[in-house]
Amino acid sequence: QPVLTQSSSASASLGSSVKLTCTLSSGHNKHIIAWHQQQPGKAPRFLMKVEGSGSYNKGSGVLDRFSGSSSGADRYLTISNLQSEDEADYYCETWDDNSWVFGGGTKVTVL
Amino acid sequence: EVQLVESGGGLVKPGGSLRLSCAASGFAFSGAWMNWVRQAPGKGLDWVGRIKSKTDGGTIDYAAPVKGRFSISRDDSKNTLYLQMNSLQTEDTAVYYCTTAHLSVYDTDYWGQGTLVSVSS
Repeated sequence: QPVLTQSSSASASLGSSVKLTCTLSSGHNKHIIAWHQQQPGKAPRFLMKVEGSGSYNKGSGVLDRFSGSSSGADRYLTISNLQSEDEADYYCETWDDNSWVFGGGTKVTVL
Repeated sequence: EVQLVESGGGLVKPGGSLRLSCAASGFAFSGAWMNWVRQAPGKGLDWVGRIKSKTDGGTIDYAAPVKGRFSISRDDSKNTLYLQMNSLQTEDTAVYYCTTAHLSVYDTDYWGQGTLVSVSS
């Protein structure tokens, strides 16, 4: 079963960019992952799926400021032109034949 | 518009039972794999279990902490997903979400708004 590792926190200034990392455990570096955003007090919201090639597909309504990429076992979520509403928890998720797993989440603070 | 609406949460004593429902609309529910995911207060997201579509065998898998106590089912005629929770423990206190569980990178997944289950004496 895969394990996903995320940094607990990240911060960046208003208008700048931040790149979040989700690392797949050994032997799982071909897995597709999904990124979800959870704003304070709200339900999570699907952002995109990212595959090992680096290609990604976003959910409808997800702004162009959000993009995905990949390198080896790492999957990335980049938020450009950071806005105050981007302050949230970001979770990655993946799955195998009979289980799903989430990373611990990264709390993004907009300075 | 895709909608997932959970209901059935509430306060229950340790050892008690509760059944959650998730009413789906706006997509082909019968062909969708579905997950239950929970979030304890102030904590991260935890997968509870998954049910495949009937055409894919209807297989159900559970996370270790709930196996043997929780049961997932679906009624495709009502576009509704269920989570039967028995032998509830205080550590089951969480907001419970239903989500779609599409495997393809091209498919969007959706979340419900969640329903709160509190287990306390």
